[in-house]
Amino acid sequence: GENVEQHPSTLSVQEGDSAVIKCTYSDSASNYFPWYKQELGKGSQLIIDIRSNVGEKKDQRIAVTLNKTAKHFSLHITETQPEDSAVYFCAASIAGNQFYFGTGTSLTVIP
Amino acid sequence: DGGITQSPKYLFRKEGQNVTLSCEQNLNHDAMYWYRQDPGQGLRLIYYSQIVNDFQKGDIAEGYSVSREKKESFPLTVTSAQKNPTAFYLCASATRLGYTGELFFGEGSRLTVL
Repeated sequence: GENVEQHPSTLSVQEGDSAVIKCTYSDSASNYFPWYKQELGKGSQLIIDIRSNVGEKKDQRIAVTLNKTAKHFSLHITETQPEDSAVYFCAASIAGNQFYFGTGTSLTVIP
Repeated sequence: DGGITQSPKYLFRKEGQNVTLSCEQNLNHDAMYWYRQDPGQGLRLIYYSQIVNDFQKGDIAEGYSVSREKKESFPLTVTSAQKNPTAFYLCASATRLGYTGELFFGEGSRLTVL
């Protein structure tokens, strides 16, 4: 089955700096890659996603890049704010049939 | 407001007891999922269902059981056969299986075995 690895497990940045979280996947058939933000008391929410026919997607301060050849994808958060502090999970899916999640990154933005 | 409701948020169980976690959604979603979250291991799939009265085992189904008698409901029973049940459990739903779009998650249930 698919194996998704995520790094780093913890990340601390100063407010205003950028944060980058990286994931690799093993199954070349995976074609959908969402990122979820998990906050205590708020559950987990999709923040951005990318499909395999696209190399990069951006939504305001958040961007995701995908390298299909190397089988890795990354989340980029620019101009970080304290409210960005949360646990972030990447996932890989083959056509939405099953989702395989990374181990999570705990991001702390220091004011 | 539409969403997924999990209950209870916190649950304590003695060894040897079965416990059932509730998951209800009012999003009219066909697909529902149960995940287990442990520190350093991410989310692992326990069971999923793509339609009423149908469900499939995920990667770590041993010691768990589910039912899908109604579209809105997908309860998970943690049985005494589960060797290490203390964990955070997340329920999720999607429009349908095979839909490359958002999974909607509940807030989770934290089970502690005493």
